Amino acid sequence: QQQVKQSPQSLIVQKGGISIINCAYENTAFDYFPWYQQFPGKGPALLIAIRPDVSEKKEGRFTISFNKSAKQFSLHIMDSQPGDSATYFCAASDSSNTGKLIFGQGTTLQVKP
Amino acid sequence: DSGVTQTPKHLITATGQRVTLRCSPRSGDLSVYWYQQSLDQGLQFLIQYYNGEERAKGNILERFSAQQFPDLHSELNLSSLELGDSALYFCASSVDRDGQPQHFGDGTRLSIL
Repeated sequence: QQQVKQSPQSLIVQKGGISIINCAYENTAFDYFPWYQQFPGKGPALLIAIRPDVSEKKEGRFTISFNKSAKQFSLHIMDSQPGDSATYFCAASDSSNTGKLIFGQGTTLQVKP
Repeated sequence: DSGVTQTPKHLITATGQRVTLRCSPRSGDLSVYWYQQSLDQGLQFLIQYYNGEERAKGNILERFSAQQFPDLHSELNLSSLELGDSALYFCASSVDRDGQPQHFGDGTRLSIL
Protein backbone atom coordinates (compact mmCIF):
# COMPACT_ATOMS: atom_id res chain seq x y z
CA GLN A 1 0.00 0.00 0.00
CA GLN A 2 3.01 2.24 0.38
CA GLN A 3 4.07 1.85 -3.23
CA VAL A 4 3.99 4.42 -5.97
CA LYS A 5 3.97 2.84 -9.41
CA GLN A 6 5.47 4.87 -12.23
CA SER A 7 5.27 4.31 -15.96
CA PRO A 8 6.73 4.14 -18.49
CA GLN A 9 10.23 3.11 -17.47
CA SER A 10 11.66 4.95 -20.46
CA LEU A 11 10.31 7.41 -22.98
CA ILE A 12 11.58 8.84 -26.25
CA VAL A 13 9.95 12.00 -27.56
CA GLN A 14 10.72 14.26 -30.49
CA LYS A 15 11.66 17.86 -29.83
CA GLY A 16 8.53 19.94 -29.52
CA GLY A 17 6.38 16.99 -28.53
CA ILE A 18 4.54 16.29 -25.30
CA SER A 19 6.09 13.96 -22.73
CA ILE A 20 3.67 12.22 -20.38
CA ILE A 21 4.68 10.23 -17.31
CA ASN A 22 2.13 8.52 -15.10
CA CYS A 23 2.05 7.48 -11.47
CA ALA A 24 -0.46 5.54 -9.42
CA TYR A 25 -0.74 5.10 -5.67
CA GLU A 26 -2.89 3.13 -3.24
CA ASN A 27 -2.51 4.89 0.10
CA THR A 28 -5.40 7.36 0.38
CA ALA A 29 -3.56 9.13 3.21
CA PHE A 30 -1.05 10.55 0.73
CA ASP A 31 -1.54 14.30 0.50
CA TYR A 32 1.56 15.61 -1.24
CA PHE A 33 2.70 14.62 -4.72
CA PRO A 34 5.97 16.06 -6.02
CA TRP A 35 7.93 15.40 -9.18
CA TYR A 36 11.71 15.44 -9.24
CA GLN A 37 14.09 15.76 -12.16
CA GLN A 38 17.50 14.12 -12.01
CA PHE A 39 20.38 14.59 -14.42
CA PRO A 40 23.27 12.09 -14.54
CA GLY A 41 25.71 12.68 -11.72
CA LYS A 42 23.36 15.05 -9.93
CA GLY A 43 20.85 14.76 -7.15
CA PRO A 44 17.10 14.98 -7.73
CA ALA A 45 15.71 18.48 -8.01
CA LEU A 46 12.16 19.37 -7.06
CA LEU A 47 10.33 20.28 -10.25
CA ILE A 48 6.70 20.78 -9.32
CA ALA A 49 4.33 19.49 -6.65
CA ILE A 50 0.60 19.25 -6.06
CA ARG A 51 -1.77 18.63 -3.18
CA PRO A 52 -5.08 16.78 -3.66
CA ASP A 53 -7.26 19.87 -3.27
CA VAL A 54 -6.55 20.82 -6.90
CA SER A 55 -6.74 18.74 -10.08
CA GLU A 56 -4.05 20.51 -12.04
CA LYS A 57 -1.00 22.67 -11.47
CA LYS A 58 1.05 24.31 -14.16
CA GLU A 59 4.51 25.83 -13.98
CA GLY A 60 5.89 26.90 -17.30
CA ARG A 61 6.01 23.90 -19.62
CA PHE A 62 5.42 21.45 -16.76
CA THR A 63 1.92 20.44 -15.66
CA ILE A 64 0.75 17.98 -13.02
CA SER A 65 -2.67 16.44 -13.54
CA PHE A 66 -4.19 14.82 -10.47
CA ASN A 67 -7.11 12.38 -10.36
CA LYS A 68 -8.02 11.72 -6.75
CA SER A 69 -10.75 9.16 -7.46
CA ALA A 70 -8.46 7.10 -9.68
CA LYS A 71 -5.48 7.65 -7.34
CA GLN A 72 -3.34 8.68 -10.26
CA PHE A 73 -1.27 11.69 -11.15
CA SER A 74 0.81 12.54 -14.16
CA LEU A 75 3.47 14.92 -15.39
CA HIS A 76 3.09 16.57 -18.77
CA ILE A 77 6.05 18.30 -20.37
CA MET A 78 4.88 20.52 -23.20
CA ASP A 79 7.16 21.50 -26.08
CA SER A 80 9.77 19.01 -24.89
CA GLN A 81 13.37 20.06 -25.43
CA PRO A 82 16.63 18.08 -25.57
CA GLY A 83 17.60 19.79 -22.30
CA ASP A 84 14.65 18.04 -20.65
CA SER A 85 16.37 14.68 -21.18
CA ALA A 86 16.72 13.34 -17.65
CA THR A 87 15.23 10.85 -15.22
CA TYR A 88 11.94 11.90 -13.66
CA PHE A 89 10.64 10.58 -10.36
CA CYS A 90 7.18 10.94 -8.95
CA ALA A 91 6.74 10.69 -5.21
CA ALA A 92 4.07 10.82 -2.54
CA SER A 93 3.84 11.34 1.17
CA ASP A 94 1.30 11.83 3.91
CA SER A 95 1.44 14.46 6.62
CA SER A 96 1.87 11.92 9.40
CA ASN A 97 5.15 10.70 7.88
CA THR A 98 7.01 13.95 7.41
CA GLY A 99 9.93 13.58 5.06
CA LYS A 100 9.06 10.01 4.26
CA LEU A 101 8.59 10.46 0.55
CA ILE A 102 7.73 7.28 -1.31
CA PHE A 103 9.33 7.47 -4.75
CA GLY A 104 8.34 5.84 -7.98
CA GLN A 105 10.95 3.85 -9.86
CA GLY A 106 11.74 6.65 -12.29
CA THR A 107 11.30 7.35 -15.99
CA THR A 108 14.23 8.04 -18.25
CA LEU A 109 13.20 10.63 -20.81
CA GLN A 110 15.12 11.20 -24.02
CA VAL A 111 14.11 14.12 -26.21
CA LYS A 112 15.45 13.76 -29.73
CA PRO A 113 16.41 16.93 -31.61
CA ASP B 1 23.68 24.43 -7.72
CA SER B 2 21.35 23.21 -4.96
CA GLY B 3 23.49 24.64 -2.16
CA VAL B 4 23.67 21.22 -0.45
CA THR B 5 27.24 19.94 -0.20
CA GLN B 6 28.09 16.29 0.21
CA THR B 7 31.52 14.79 0.77
CA PRO B 8 33.15 12.66 -0.38
CA LYS B 9 31.79 12.24 -3.90
CA HIS B 10 33.07 8.70 -4.16
CA LEU B 11 34.01 6.17 -1.52
CA ILE B 12 35.43 2.71 -2.13
CA THR B 13 35.86 0.36 0.78
CA ALA B 14 35.62 -3.28 1.77
CA THR B 15 33.01 -5.40 3.49
CA GLY B 16 32.98 -5.10 7.25
CA GLN B 17 34.35 -1.57 7.24
CA ARG B 18 32.81 1.64 8.57
CA VAL B 19 32.42 4.92 6.69
CA THR B 20 31.10 8.39 7.41
CA LEU B 21 29.30 10.50 4.85
CA ARG B 22 29.03 14.22 5.41
CA CYS B 23 26.39 16.73 4.39
CA SER B 24 26.18 20.52 4.70
CA PRO B 25 22.64 21.76 4.14
CA ARG B 26 21.68 24.81 2.14
CA SER B 27 22.23 28.01 4.07
CA GLY B 28 19.23 28.68 6.28
CA ASP B 29 17.80 25.16 6.04
CA LEU B 30 17.25 23.44 9.37
CA SER B 31 16.07 20.03 8.15
CA VAL B 32 18.40 17.41 6.73
CA TYR B 33 17.20 14.22 5.06
CA TRP B 34 19.20 11.18 4.01
CA TYR B 35 18.18 8.99 1.08
CA GLN B 36 19.66 5.86 -0.45
CA GLN B 37 19.40 5.28 -4.19
CA SER B 38 20.09 1.82 -5.60
CA LEU B 39 19.14 0.12 -8.84
CA ASP B 40 16.91 -2.47 -7.22
CA GLN B 41 15.32 -0.40 -4.42
CA GLY B 42 15.18 3.02 -6.08
CA LEU B 43 15.17 6.10 -3.84
CA GLN B 44 14.52 5.20 -0.21
CA PHE B 45 14.13 7.59 2.71
CA LEU B 46 16.50 6.81 5.57
CA ILE B 47 16.18 9.51 8.21
CA GLN B 48 15.42 13.19 8.85
CA TYR B 49 16.90 15.58 11.38
CA TYR B 50 15.56 18.99 12.27
CA ASN B 51 17.74 21.47 14.14
CA GLY B 52 19.77 18.71 15.75
CA GLU B 53 16.91 16.41 16.68
CA GLU B 54 15.79 13.23 14.93
CA ARG B 55 12.46 14.02 13.25
CA ALA B 56 11.50 10.99 11.21
CA LYS B 57 12.88 7.57 10.50
CA GLY B 58 12.49 5.47 7.39
CA ASN B 59 14.05 2.27 6.17
CA ILE B 60 17.34 2.77 7.97
CA LEU B 61 19.26 -0.33 9.01
CA GLU B 62 20.48 -0.72 12.58
CA ARG B 63 24.05 -0.73 11.21
CA PHE B 64 23.45 2.84 10.02
CA SER B 65 23.24 5.91 12.22
CA ALA B 66 23.13 9.62 11.69
CA GLN B 67 23.38 12.85 13.60
CA GLN B 68 23.04 16.57 13.02
CA PHE B 69 25.50 18.88 14.69
CA PRO B 70 24.95 22.39 16.16
CA ASP B 71 26.27 23.96 12.96
CA LEU B 72 23.52 21.95 11.17
CA HIS B 73 25.81 19.75 9.14
CA SER B 74 24.94 16.08 9.27
CA GLU B 75 26.83 12.83 9.14
CA LEU B 76 25.60 9.40 8.12
CA ASN B 77 27.60 6.55 9.60
CA LEU B 78 27.49 3.15 7.94
CA SER B 79 29.13 0.24 9.73
CA SER B 80 29.73 -3.48 9.15
CA LEU B 81 29.36 -2.74 5.48
CA GLU B 82 27.93 -5.37 3.16
CA LEU B 83 28.04 -5.64 -0.62
CA GLY B 84 24.38 -4.66 -0.72
CA ASP B 85 25.14 -1.30 0.84
CA SER B 86 26.72 -0.16 -2.41
CA ALA B 87 24.55 2.72 -3.54
CA LEU B 88 24.27 6.45 -3.98
CA TYR B 89 23.55 8.25 -0.74
CA PHE B 90 21.85 11.61 -1.06
CA CYS B 91 21.40 14.33 1.47
CA ALA B 92 18.62 16.85 1.08
CA SER B 93 17.57 19.89 3.07
CA SER B 94 14.63 22.17 3.63
CA VAL B 95 13.73 25.09 5.85
CA ASP B 96 10.78 23.52 7.63
CA ARG B 97 10.48 20.82 10.22
CA ASP B 98 7.33 19.43 8.66
CA GLY B 99 8.13 20.18 5.04
CA GLN B 100 9.53 18.02 2.30
CA PRO B 101 13.07 17.79 0.93
CA GLN B 102 13.55 20.45 -1.69
CA HIS B 103 17.26 20.72 -2.30
CA PHE B 104 19.33 17.59 -2.86
CA GLY B 105 23.08 17.32 -2.91
CA ASP B 106 24.88 15.49 -5.69
CA GLY B 107 25.35 12.40 -3.56
CA THR B 108 28.11 10.14 -2.35
CA ARG B 109 28.66 7.01 -4.41
CA LEU B 110 29.62 4.18 -2.07
CA SER B 111 31.19 1.08 -3.57
CA ILE B 112 31.81 -1.96 -1.42
CA LEU B 113 34.38 -4.41 -2.77
